[in-house]
Amino acid sequence: GESVGLHLPTLSVQEGDNSIINCAYSNSASDYFIWYKQESGKGPQFIIDIRSNMDKRQGQRVTVLLNKTVKHLSLQIAATQPGDSAVYFCAESWNNNDMRFGAGTRLTVKP
Amino acid sequence: GAVVSQHPSWVICKSGTSVKIECRSLDFQATTMFWYRQFPKQSLMLMATSNEGSKATYEQGVEKDKFLINHASLTLSTLTVTSAHPEDSSFYICSARDSLAGGRLSYNEQFFGPGTRLTVL
Repeated sequence: GESVGLHLPTLSVQEGDNSIINCAYSNSASDYFIWYKQESGKGPQFIIDIRSNMDKRQGQRVTVLLNKTVKHLSLQIAATQPGDSAVYFCAESWNNNDMRFGAGTRLTVKP
Repeated sequence: GAVVSQHPSWVICKSGTSVKIECRSLDFQATTMFWYRQFPKQSLMLMATSNEGSKATYEQGVEKDKFLINHASLTLSTLTVTSAHPEDSSFYICSARDSLAGGRLSYNEQFFGPGTRLTVL
């Protein structure tokens, strides 16, 4: 069936380095993608989103790239900081209502 | 803006009792709210879609008689876990979609609550 998955379950980076978190999706009908950050014991926090008519979108220190050809989504975090340590989820949405979350990647930033 | 609250933030109950969790959109109206369950070190799994003024839509495998959802107003949805058992212990998270955002390009932007930790003894 359709699914959203992540290539890397854990990622450890040095403070100040750039982080790249990847996500693969398989639902060709998905037209909206979101990255969330979840800290321990808290709800998901919106980071950045992108619609299927775009292939790149930038925010503050974050960039999302969408490759519809290979159904791949990535989140790039520039100059990673200790406060960025969390679990990151990608989510795909379709039909303006349905949403599915990926498995999540735990990002650990080493000082 | 776009704040969603949940109450309680954590609850411990005895097996066999029922627990009600509230989800409120504080500064916007939400005709649609979503309930998720998250087990430790796992992703969020959608349990049901809560629609204001109508019955909730449950995902496959979720017992509607066990997880009662009521969405009586545009700012409040409740999830009641009936006859809770230890296997129902989990982190329950709700989200809400802004009813007035239909014209925006963010098709399905959901705002998440802080979650409720349920422990059933």
